[in-house]
Amino acid sequence: NAGVTQTPKFQVLKTGQSMTLQCAQDMNHEYMSWYRQDPGMGLRLIHYSVGAGITDQGEVPNGYNVSRSTTEDFPLRLLSAAPSQTSVYFCASSYTGGAYQTQYFGPGTRLLVL
Amino acid sequence: GQQVMQIPQYQHVQEGEDFTTYCNSSTTLSNIQWYKQRPGGHPVFLIQLVKSGEVKKQKRLTFQFGEAKKNSSLHITATQTTDVGTYFCAGRGSQGNLIFGKGTKLSVKP
Repeated sequence: NAGVTQTPKFQVLKTGQSMTLQCAQDMNHEYMSWYRQDPGMGLRLIHYSVGAGITDQGEVPNGYNVSRSTTEDFPLRLLSAAPSQTSVYFCASSYTGGAYQTQYFGPGTRLLVL
Repeated sequence: GQQVMQIPQYQHVQEGEDFTTYCNSSTTLSNIQWYKQRPGGHPVFLIQLVKSGEVKKQKRLTFQFGEAKKNSSLHITATQTTDVGTYFCAGRGSQGNLIFGKGTKLSVKP
């Protein structure tokens, strides 16, 4: 199993550009989530999904969209990038009952918005 | 909203010294998880505590969950350079999601 994969590993954007961060898992996990990690801020939840077709907002959802058309994939879209979105983004997955189950994290995407 | 506070933010130790990080919640937690993130890496699950007063050990690491289920600690005995990284605790939020503490960054001087 590849576990949780994320692409790209690194990305530089200009303010106003859009992009999609890809996340995929091959463990048949129902629960998937996106976090951003900033220095001194820990991991903050952006959006999460409890299954295909179901998504919900986390702590810091503004400026991000998600969709969950399949169990395997959970892309994160930045519609109009802003410098405040410079961060490291982690995708995570787990079996049902997200907070009770081990979260498996992807390797992360490092995003710089100029 | 619910917060999970973690202290200290940084800890520098000499190799062989002990290390402890503390996690406190403003509300009762149903469970608590601990993760380790190596420099440049991603968080990796270490352990989950569920029961009041629970104590679990993994080699030199000892995890405790408070009697009131509002606090937890991770203690490392005789640190090694391989222990370097950031340690996060995480508790269940009101929406059922994990709320992460801000982490304790451990550096170990050989």
